[in-house]
Amino acid sequence: DTGVSQDPRHKITKRGQNVTFRCDPISEHNRLYWYRQTLGQGPEFLTYFQNEAQLEKSRLLSDRFSAERPKGSFSTLEIQRTEQGDSAMYLCASSLDGPGPQYFGPGTRLTVL
Amino acid sequence: AQSVTQPDIHITVSEGASLELRCNYSYGATPYLFWYVQSPGQGLQLLLKYFSGDTLVQGIKGFEAEFKRSQSSFNLRKPSVHWSDAAEYFCAVAANTDKLIFGTGTRLQVFP
Repeated sequence: DTGVSQDPRHKITKRGQNVTFRCDPISEHNRLYWYRQTLGQGPEFLTYFQNEAQLEKSRLLSDRFSAERPKGSFSTLEIQRTEQGDSAMYLCASSLDGPGPQYFGPGTRLTVL
Repeated sequence: AQSVTQPDIHITVSEGASLELRCNYSYGATPYLFWYVQSPGQGLQLLLKYFSGDTLVQGIKGFEAEFKRSQSSFNLRKPSVHWSDAAEYFCAVAANTDKLIFGTGTRLQVFP
């Protein structure tokens, strides 16, 4: 399967803990995106990368959130000092170039207790 | 600012019936438009896209959508719905930036 993969699929953590999610895009895709989806809503943009360069961040992305794509391949999204409001599905997508179709991974569901 | 409106939160149809899901967008120029489908607990699957050219676009699983500039709409249609089509459907727009702006989704329920 050469689609977008995300790890872990589910994460349960206690408030105040740090969590890190990983995304592996489709291999030839230059662009990688992170979105957050809460119950009953469409995905909301968080940030994206062109190769290893982070080009845009949403205002949703507070200083507790950080994302990296160190070698232009996989990416990590870290949330520090998690809050209950961070509970959501975190989706990763990749595209060959933009603005073009984005292909999504299965998501990481975060539950903060 | 770009935005997407999906007026129908929940639609119920009988298997075999036709389907139309509505999508309206707000953007000054011609946007890039997409429809995605999401099954429970899953990521999003691209159904179809519109960039330019023919305003009627064909997608996977027998879906099609029509871009109507005058109405700022990009409605999704299927002539005969199957029980496996039950899912959440999202319309999205990408304007002059790379990020997708999604609507709030329409949940489709299919009765046998």
